[in-house]
Amino acid sequence: QVHLVQSGAEVKKPGSSVKVSCKASGRTFSSYFISWVRQAPGQGLEWMGGLIPMFGSPTYAQKSQGRVTISADGSTSTIYMELSSLRSGDTALYYCAAADSSRAPFDYWGQGTLVTVSS
Amino acid sequence: QSALTQPPSASGSPGQSVTISCTGTSSDVGGYNYVSWYQQHPGKAPKLMIYEVNKRPSGVPDRFSGSKSANTASLTVSGLQAEDEADYYCSSYAGSDNLVFGGGTKLTVL
Repeated sequence: QVHLVQSGAEVKKPGSSVKVSCKASGRTFSSYFISWVRQAPGQGLEWMGGLIPMFGSPTYAQKSQGRVTISADGSTSTIYMELSSLRSGDTALYYCAAADSSRAPFDYWGQGTLVTVSS
Repeated sequence: QSALTQPPSASGSPGQSVTISCTGTSSDVGGYNYVSWYQQHPGKAPKLMIYEVNKRPSGVPDRFSGSKSANTASLTVSGLQAEDEADYYCSSYAGSDNLVFGGGTKLTVL
């Protein structure tokens, strides 16, 4: 079992950056494939990228490359997602989700973090 | 990496069966047996219903089943119940540690 707890809601200005955290507890998180999935209001799920903390090399969706940085801090069992050059279209609920591997389904989800981009 | 294609909506009466399709390419759905289906109720996180095309996690009713043919995966919900009304999303492994989701299907129980 893995329990994922995300940081709180954020309101950001266009052009700024946001960093969302996802703290894992339970089974050793370092071997899980932890991903970030976002959902704009009334829209579908979008996979942004993920990494296995013990290996440390993230993979990103094509659309995310260049603006998204996913990292991990093993000492605190926390995964981070930083999104830069924010625009209104980035307003969404951001979930972290854990799977046994990149091929495995997401068994565990965080509660979601709402990021609102508004001037 | 384009989103997988799902119908925006599907519906059925209680007790009936409904099938939702999910069409991708040979680089994702057609290339791997790693298709999952998630159910999402309003305001809730997605819940895994089917993985590896046709496997059900513990606790998911056997009314939910999955299949795949070439580049199209399908989720069938038999014996529709009111609580099945939700959004459903497919996802597929797409190689090189990449994943892709479908656009989602809103299932209405009439």
